[in-house]
Amino acid sequence: DSGVTQTPKHLITATGQRVTLRCSPRSGDLSVYWYQQSLDQGLQFLIQYYNGEERAKGNILERFSAQQFPDLHSELNLSSLELGDSALYFCASSVGEAGYNEQFFGPGTRLTVL
Amino acid sequence: GQNIDQPTEMTATEGAIVQINCTYQTSGFNGLFWYQQHAGEAPTFLSYNVLDGLEEKGRFSSFLSRSKGYSYLLLKELQMKDSASYLCAVRPTQNRDDKIIFGKGTRLHILP
Repeated sequence: DSGVTQTPKHLITATGQRVTLRCSPRSGDLSVYWYQQSLDQGLQFLIQYYNGEERAKGNILERFSAQQFPDLHSELNLSSLELGDSALYFCASSVGEAGYNEQFFGPGTRLTVL
Repeated sequence: GQNIDQPTEMTATEGAIVQINCTYQTSGFNGLFWYQQHAGEAPTFLSYNVLDGLEEKGRFSSFLSRSKGYSYLLLKELQMKDSASYLCAVRPTQNRDDKIIFGKGTRLHILP
């Protein structure tokens, strides 16, 4: 158990819909990272927040957005969902904001878009 | 562009040794990570190399050669539970807003 929690574990929805994925980092960690993992693309970095502010942006689509709240939990919002958005979405946390800090991953949310 | 290459799949026998290679071409280099990921589970951190040489941690060791853009993960005394995917990831720069790039992973199958 990494100490990072994600909800929900599974999400099934239809194309065109909007969903929100939630992540709570390990106690004391200020950075939260979001990743998408699909079978053909591997693990893709989406976005990083540090202490409430956006720090780094990866391959995140404009239909996706995220935020980190004052209590450090984070939400990833996915809108206008397409079939290709079906994937495992991982959240990870680390102590600092630098990318070399060890990241601890949550169990993931499996999103299925029908 | 940024690119990380690893073999897609490897097979080894329980009790043996296996070496998983990773080569990278990135705009810069500020560290290389290895993660283990069992099917359907989250990745877990194995090692971090930023200087050339070998880092040993129990049955697992990781090697880095920055001049060659090359790393390997060495697993000794293989156990069935080592069957997993192994992800190589590189941090290209030390800019605050850079991002770690992951390879597609190597699926390791352990045979009894």
